[in-house]
Amino acid sequence: DGGITQSPKYLFRKEGQNVTLSCEQNLNHDAMYWYRQDPGQGLRLIYYSQIVNDFQKGDIAEGYSVSREKKESFPLTVTSAQKNPTAFYLCASSDGHQETQYFGPGTRLLVL
Amino acid sequence: AQSVAQPEDQVNVAEGNPLTVKCTYSVSGNPYLFWYVQYPNRGLQFLLKYITGDNLVKGSYGFEAEFNKSQTSFHLKKPSALVSDSALYFCAVREFSNYQLIWGAGTKLIIKP
Repeated sequence: DGGITQSPKYLFRKEGQNVTLSCEQNLNHDAMYWYRQDPGQGLRLIYYSQIVNDFQKGDIAEGYSVSREKKESFPLTVTSAQKNPTAFYLCASSDGHQETQYFGPGTRLLVL
Repeated sequence: AQSVAQPEDQVNVAEGNPLTVKCTYSVSGNPYLFWYVQYPNRGLQFLLKYITGDNLVKGSYGFEAEFNKSQTSFHLKKPSALVSDSALYFCAVREFSNYQLIWGAGTKLIIKP
């Protein structure tokens, strides 16, 4: 069953804590993306990666970090520097950065 | 600068009637245009895209969209709405030479039985 998986579905963060959201794809896609979705707004790009061991900041990268050590994995860490982390986080991948993006089911991050 | 506008926050349609969800865009070059659908607490599902060619694009679940270059629009349409079409719909655009998708704010589509 091919696709993009994200875990966990729900994640709770305590004050001052770093948390990591998982994104895995078995589509053999080169490019991967992280978006943040807030109510009433479109998706905003946090980071993207076109190839392994390379990634670039999107529009709202402050307070977030990523790594791309394997083609199929692109984890996102929400650091304590991100003061308003409550949101729905979506991971996507595409076969080349100019192709259609396909999305995972999302992770909802809540602050305790 | 690139931008996308979805002028309606919500669209209400009776089941069986035709539906239209509007999208207008602004890019400096040739646009790539996309429609996605999102069901509650789920990821986005790709519906259709326009790259080049025929201005009428057909996609999943009976949806289609018409590219209008002069009006810079890419409205999503379906001839006969189903209750199961109720969801949040997003339009997105990027320029040919640019990697980044620019997203509209989304339109909530409600189909009433």
